[in-house]
Amino acid sequence: GDSVTQMEGPVTLSEEAFLTINCTYTATGYPSLFWYVQYPGEGLQLLLKATKADDKGSNKGFEATYRKETTSFHLEKGSVQVSDSAVYFCALSESGNNRLAFGKGNQVVVIP
Amino acid sequence: EAGVAQSPRYKIIEKRQSVAFWCNPISGHATLYWYQQILGQGPKLLIQFQNNGVVDDSQLPKDRFSAERLKGVDSTLKIQPAKLEDSAVYLCASSISGQVRFYEQYFGPGTRLTVT
Repeated sequence: GDSVTQMEGPVTLSEEAFLTINCTYTATGYPSLFWYVQYPGEGLQLLLKATKADDKGSNKGFEATYRKETTSFHLEKGSVQVSDSAVYFCALSESGNNRLAFGKGNQVVVIP
Repeated sequence: EAGVAQSPRYKIIEKRQSVAFWCNPISGHATLYWYQQILGQGPKLLIQFQNNGVVDDSQLPKDRFSAERLKGVDSTLKIQPAKLEDSAVYLCASSISGQVRFYEQYFGPGTRLTVT
């Protein structure tokens, strides 16, 4: 079935550092890809999305590009802030339905 | 606009007891989802409703879990009897629709269940 794999372990980095979180996927069709964020004490929120190959999703300084050839959707931000500390989930949805399959998530901790 | 509401926020029960969670989606949203999020994992879809009909319940453990959305608005998820492995956060989400193409899902704050 469809699945999403995120890199293992939490990510700890200093303020203004560059952030990359890896995400790869397995799907039978042509899925849409998403990054969700969960800030402490809050519900899941959609951060960005891309619906077809080579699309770039962006929001709040975060970017991710849909790479069909490498089945990847890595999340990047050039200069993180303490307020970016959260758990980030990569997810996919197969075309024709609205069902989300999530990765395990990555805890990001930004130190001042 | 009010978001997705869930209650209770926290629940502690003993194994073999029953528990019920309630969700009220965003007004006008036809599609409602229940997810289970075990600690350290991503959310897993349990059941999806379109109005008051079930679209997908393939990952719902039907021997102990049940869900309903009788009037196509709010929904209840029940576990009877609970097992230790049911300890998780139960998330409710809603979207305008759930068919043909992707519609953004809006998530509630979740109910954290601890089974002892």
